[in-house]
Amino acid sequence: SAVISQKPSRDICQRGTSLTIQCQVDSQVTMMFWYRQQPGQSLTLIATANQGSEATYESGFVIDKFPISRPNLTFSTLTVSNMSPEDSSIYLCSVDGFTNEQFFGPGTRLTVL
Amino acid sequence: AQTVTQSQPEMSVQEAETVTLSCTYDTSENNYYLFWYKQPPSRQMILVIRQEAYKQQNATENRFSVNFQKAAKSFSLKISDSQLGDTAMYFCAFMKHVGGATNKLIFGTGTLLAVQP
Repeated sequence: SAVISQKPSRDICQRGTSLTIQCQVDSQVTMMFWYRQQPGQSLTLIATANQGSEATYESGFVIDKFPISRPNLTFSTLTVSNMSPEDSSIYLCSVDGFTNEQFFGPGTRLTVL
Repeated sequence: AQTVTQSQPEMSVQEAETVTLSCTYDTSENNYYLFWYKQPPSRQMILVIRQEAYKQQNATENRFSVNFQKAAKSFSLKISDSQLGDTAMYFCAFMKHVGGATNKLIFGTGTLLAVQP
């Protein structure tokens, strides 16, 4: 399985500001995914990021709020823009495995005041 | 649209005993994958076990096994010889098979399992 790191591991931000979360993988992967896990809730997919193409967003998530970059096969960023307290969540990136499973990073715990 | 339901928000089991976590799903797809993920308090999501819908044989991984009932759309996880390290939130997840590519995971709401010493 891939080794995935995320930065930062946690942050406390003021409303109206933006935070960029980085996801780094130790091997080249085709697909990277960004999920949100609101407090005490399950995971919901925000978008799928393939290298060299625009990210594909799920219903309820828009590019202006969650811009994503995927500059190469081992790295992606998710920005949470113009934050409000409702954006307080854990944000996780995942990558595809060889047999259609997904491997997850450790997550970024975001608190918006 | 696919949905995944975990009807047991919390469960408790004694160390060394066996516990079964329930999961049902709804889909009109014929080809798909099912997964169980574990999220310990440290929050790193770990893949526990996977099942391809076209396989009739139930998947097993050491102490973890599933009971896959395709017609009933049921996918339960059995943990044998429970250990303290099994304490975690367990998520059942569904993924539609799309041309061999990895697709998005649809998660259930999770079951918090506590293993008691």
